[in-house]
Amino acid sequence: KAGVTQTPRYLIKTRGQQVTLSCSPISGHRSVSWYQQTPGQGLQFLFEYFSETQRNKGNFPGRFSGRQFSNSRSEMNVSTLELGDSALYLCASSLKGFTDTQYFGPGTRLTVL
Amino acid sequence: TQLLEQSPQFLSIQEGENLTVYCNSSSVFSSLQWYRQEPGEGPVLLVTVVTGGEVKKLKRLTFQFGDARKDSSLHITAAQPGDTGLYLCAGVEVARTPLVFGKGTRLSVIA
Repeated sequence: KAGVTQTPRYLIKTRGQQVTLSCSPISGHRSVSWYQQTPGQGLQFLFEYFSETQRNKGNFPGRFSGRQFSNSRSEMNVSTLELGDSALYLCASSLKGFTDTQYFGPGTRLTVL
Repeated sequence: TQLLEQSPQFLSIQEGENLTVYCNSSSVFSSLQWYRQEPGEGPVLLVTVVTGGEVKKLKRLTFQFGDARKDSSLHITAAQPGDTGLYLCAGVEVARTPLVFGKGTRLSVIA
């Protein structure tokens, strides 16, 4: 079974731009969660989608948004990028949700200049 | 304030030594998970503990969930260079709330 894939793996943007990250979950998994990982704050939950509906949301500003498609693939969008948005963005899929085993992708490393 | 505090933050030991890392909180968790993350990769689940006082073993790794379900520990016996990585604990505080992560313990095992 193929694992979780994320594209792109690396991204460099400048302040004020927007970015879209993509995540393809493990086949059959309907839950996709997004996390931001930084050295200072560690892994922080952004949001979770289940069957195309946002089921849970973390404490991040509205510049961070996401969506899930009917094939469970998910995208995350960050608008008006700030320097502090530089981080590793991880996507995780699971069968039932974040209380279930989370299978993480390799992440997208975003650098904002 | 971090909901889950992990200690130590960094640990560098020689191959063959034993070590314990800790994950503590003032909150009660319905379950707690341990992950290992290697450079350039996402975290990989090692174990989930759900019962207070539970002990689980995974080869040379022993995981314990505190009786009050507020803390957990990971003990590695005879560490090997392949154990090097970032060890993360994560918990579900109340049913149907997001998984919260500690900041991790970065372990380096030197041959």
